[in-house]
Amino acid sequence: QVQLQESGPGLVKPSETLSLTCTLSGGSIVSYYWSWIRQPPGKGLEWIGSMYYSGSSNYNPSLKSRVTISVDTSKNQFSLKLTSLTAADTAVYYCARGGGYSSSGFDYWGQGSLVTVSS
Amino acid sequence: QSVLTQPPSASGTPGQRVTISCSGSSSNIGNNYVYWYQQLPGTAPKLLIYRDNQRPSGVPDRFSGSKSGTSASLAISELQSEDEADYYCAPWDDSLRGWVFGGGTKLTVL
Repeated sequence: QVQLQESGPGLVKPSETLSLTCTLSGGSIVSYYWSWIRQPPGKGLEWIGSMYYSGSSNYNPSLKSRVTISVDTSKNQFSLKLTSLTAADTAVYYCARGGGYSSSGFDYWGQGSLVTVSS
Repeated sequence: QSVLTQPPSASGTPGQRVTISCSGSSSNIGNNYVYWYQQLPGTAPKLLIYRDNQRPSGVPDRFSGSKSGTSASLAISELQSEDEADYYCAPWDDSLRGWVFGGGTKLTVL
């Protein structure tokens, strides 16, 4: 049974960098795309970016200058870095399997990690 | 403001059939598969429909997806109280070179 678990700080200061990690259990990180999606409180879903296990990636153009996604196949983990945070980045951050063009969709999701940007 | 348009709300009574629409353009729905996600209150989204009309294992056949031109629809038949949730459509967008989500539709079972 594939399971994803996000980990990282719940509170980050404005202008700082957010680092989140997603740990995969019950499956292999190889041969899939891995993605980050966020949801501001009370609002809809926003795709942040996706990375294939071997390194190719796509990012949301509105966030591209601030986002880096990386994959560590040895640890079965993938990570998100988001720089220059503002209050508008406050959201629940989800990691998910999938994200490749014409894929089977985002078929497994983590439970989500609430990140608040505040001084 | 999403490039996809969904009605903010929909409702129905138990046993009814409801349809949720998702309107886009040739750069997204018109040229790519549509995916639908269900988000129950306080939980992570769940994949409901992939590649326009395919159901993942475990999703009841009460849920069905369709597409015509630059619009897609999710139909839920035999509505049940546990179907009360937010529903999102999500196709790839060729212009943005990424995934886009509709604004979401909150389904209320009366």
